[in-house]
Amino acid sequence: EDQVTQSPEALRLQEGESSSLNCSYTVSGLRGLFWYRQDPGKGPEFLFTLYSAGEEKEKERLKATLTKKESFLHITAPKPEDSATYLCAVPKGSGGYQKVTFGTGTKLQVIP
Amino acid sequence: DAGITQSPRYKITETGRQVTLMCHQTWSHSYMFWYRQDLGHGLRLIYYSAAADITDKGEVPDGYVVSRSKTENFPLTLESATRSQTSVYFCASRNRDPTDTQYFGPGTRLTVL
Repeated sequence: EDQVTQSPEALRLQEGESSSLNCSYTVSGLRGLFWYRQDPGKGPEFLFTLYSAGEEKEKERLKATLTKKESFLHITAPKPEDSATYLCAVPKGSGGYQKVTFGTGTKLQVIP
Repeated sequence: DAGITQSPRYKITETGRQVTLMCHQTWSHSYMFWYRQDLGHGLRLIYYSAAADITDKGEVPDGYVVSRSKTENFPLTLESATRSQTSVYFCASRNRDPTDTQYFGPGTRLTVL
């Protein structure tokens, strides 16, 4: 069964304190991994898509990396506005890209 | 306005009532999706549609009905609401490219009493 597990469930950082969020997955034939940001009361907002092990993508203070078993979202010198829940998701092993398994997310709080 | 919208944003109903949640997108995306988000479960797919008049079940379809007569609209109906359907519902859309991301609406918070 396809599974996506995110850790930690919650993370509290001081402004400027870098850290990483983890997304581990078990899916037959990985065809991509998505990262989203979700603010309270809003829908998820797309951040990155990674397709193959070794791939990296960056956006401002965020960098996403991918290995064969997990992905990391590195946050460098975070600011309070980076506070949000970060979700990762992978397409299911069967059913095309229509069926995507989401993790339960990491809730990040950045304190000034 | 361009984008994807959902209505209502908040809804309180009673057990056994029929409820319809609306979703509208202005991008002419082929694919549209309905998810529910509950604590401890993450986002779970209810139904999706590949085009007008083409729909298919997701992970948790029981108790829900969808239709898609027009590309831009994808309503979700709870035929007889139950308390277990209390949740936040998100609609999403994407274009034909299977590697493209899904764009999510703002969500509808539904409470079934």
